[in-house]
Amino acid sequence: AQRVTQPEKLLSVFKGAPVELKCNYSYSGSPELFWYVQYSRQRLQLLLRHISRESIKGFTADLNKGETSFHLKKPFAQEEDSAMYYCALSFSGGYNKLIFGAGTRLAVHP
Amino acid sequence: DTEVTQTPKHLVMGMTNKKSLKCEQHMGHRAMYWYKQKAKKPPELMFVYSYEKLSINESVPSRFSPECPNSSLLNLHLHALQPEDSALYLCASSPREAKNIQYFGAGTRLSVL
Repeated sequence: AQRVTQPEKLLSVFKGAPVELKCNYSYSGSPELFWYVQYSRQRLQLLLRHISRESIKGFTADLNKGETSFHLKKPFAQEEDSAMYYCALSFSGGYNKLIFGAGTRLAVHP
Repeated sequence: DTEVTQTPKHLVMGMTNKKSLKCEQHMGHRAMYWYKQKAKKPPELMFVYSYEKLSINESVPSRFSPECPNSSLLNLHLHALQPEDSALYLCASSPREAKNIQYFGAGTRLSVL
């Protein structure tokens, strides 16, 4: 069965520290992986997707098929990065389901 | 208009009431979704509509009845709900050219008394 695991419920760092939010997935085919973010009092929005291979707001994520991981990284955290981050998986064919991980709350302290 | 709009923002209803949630988008997206999100949990997919036809029903109880009257509008009709149905209900849509990218509305916070 398809599954997304985010092992940390809360990640607390100081401003300027590196950040890595972990995501592992379980899927036998070719998945598409995403990171969605929900800032306080804002709607859930796409942060980045693995096939675009871009950096958004300083965040990057690389799909590692061998380790079935899609960790989100940022070298220097900012206070405005504080939010709930969800890793999500979609699989091929039609208009697809998004399967979300449980989410990690990132708290960046001054 | 580049947003998914959900109304109402908040809804309180009794277990015998009938109410409806509304979702609109004018981005030309042809897939629309309903999710349920309980507090401190991730969104869980309920229904998917593709070209106004129901394509996925994630074994949702019949007290939730979706409707897609046209390509811009998605409704969720509620009847005889239970207190455990209290949650944030999210609508999303996705474009044909990037069907795995979903754009979410702000949600309707539903309380069932």
